[in-house]
Amino acid sequence: GNSVTQMEGPVTLSEEAFLTINCTYTATGYPSLFWYVQYPGEGLQLLLKATKADDKGSNKGFEATYRKETTSFHLEKGSVQVSDSAVYFCARGGGAQKLVFGQGTRLTINP
Amino acid sequence: NAGVTQTPKFQVLKTGQSMTLQCAQDMNHEYMSWYRQDPGMGLRLIHYSVGAGITDQGEVPNGYNVSRSTTEDFPLRLLSAAPSQTSVYFCASSYLGGSVTEAFFGQGTRLTVV
Repeated sequence: GNSVTQMEGPVTLSEEAFLTINCTYTATGYPSLFWYVQYPGEGLQLLLKATKADDKGSNKGFEATYRKETTSFHLEKGSVQVSDSAVYFCARGGGAQKLVFGQGTRLTINP
Repeated sequence: NAGVTQTPKFQVLKTGQSMTLQCAQDMNHEYMSWYRQDPGMGLRLIHYSVGAGITDQGEVPNGYNVSRSTTEDFPLRLLSAAPSQTSVYFCASSYLGGSVTEAFFGQGTRLTVV
């Protein structure tokens, strides 16, 4: 089964709302953790990452903290914009360069 | 700065037909991989390569072949397409490092098998 679990979507918010997308993982050891974003019609691109426990990744106002106690890497943003509408994927390192992805969460921000 | 280039962007095949999805990268990355994206299932790894001449299977390799004759190119072949292979396919590349490094993705190929 999938060892990265994201909150189910779709998620619809109003502009300037607070965003949380939950992500938990199962793994042996302490893998690197990632959030990738897919804008409409495009491939995935890295949003942020954390490589060890208690690290905080941040980019474009998004943040996520590597919590080994709860095996979580929740994505947060304090004030979302319409341009943040996309599909967000949580992923963990899966050995060598492999990535194990969650199922993705579609986010829609309304003006 | 092209990055990862996939062709074609869209393709419709009949059951039993064969085709090759092309992937090329210009970043001199050692690692290349193919994923398929299906609704509600995220991305699943099909095949990957850690360098020219070296390939290996991922999570869902059945029905697909790959080869890596150069660092730049990593084509994915469907020998006999089936409706279950209807999906969006993404090629990705990255440097080989001590830990997982950033993967760069192509724009995807949307394949429909009828």
